[in-house]
Amino acid sequence: QLQLQESGPGLVKPSETLSLTCTLSGGSISDIRYNWGWLRQPPGKGLEWIGSIYYTGSIYSNPSLKSRVTVAVDTSVNQFSLKLTSVTAADTAIYYCARQFRDIGNPSFWYFDLWGRGTLVTVSS
Amino acid sequence: QSVLTQPPSVSGAPGQVVTISCTGNSSNIATGSAVHWYQRLPGTAPKLLIYSNVIRPSGVPDRFSGYRSGASASLAITGLQAEDEGDYYCQSYASRLNGPWVFGGGTKLTVL
Repeated sequence: QLQLQESGPGLVKPSETLSLTCTLSGGSISDIRYNWGWLRQPPGKGLEWIGSIYYTGSIYSNPSLKSRVTVAVDTSVNQFSLKLTSVTAADTAIYYCARQFRDIGNPSFWYFDLWGRGTLVTVSS
Repeated sequence: QSVLTQPPSVSGAPGQVVTISCTGNSSNIATGSAVHWYQRLPGTAPKLLIYSNVIRPSGVPDRFSGYRSGASASLAITGLQAEDEGDYYCQSYASRLNGPWVFGGGTKLTVL
């Protein structure tokens, strides 16, 4: 069954680095039709796209987070990862990994067609 | 504050029609960027409901339909069912200043 699963610590201290991994099962992360993305939803707020990566390593990042975000992919184990540095309470959110369909060349048509269930990350001392 | 604007909540009785709006501007929807819709039911992962403005993925009932015009889009749900209760989000593509992939704040649908 095709699915994505996030994993990582649920509690991170302020100023430290948030690290999450997403594992794809039932498919290949090297599928040329897709990017692999990270999104989040802070409590009481809307969804925010963080960044996406193609299996070749090409990265797309949200300009508002770019200086703190690292996204990486490991095709050998069908995983991709997120690192967010210097976290504050504002980074407390449910973090989702998702597959982003990119088959049509124009990025304005790309969308997220498979999501993980999400993992709550709380930033607190 | 989300880039795309959605009403915080809508409600309807079983069998009725509800519409959820998604308003953008000249840097996103109005440029011709596609609008996509997602459904998140309680305790579940978000699910793609409509893509490229009007297309339903396989398995999505035809009770769900999408429409885009100008700088806005809408999602219509006909024959409302109790199982439709949840959160709905629109998504589009914006200039690199605030994106590029941007979302609405979400709309909570309550089935009365």
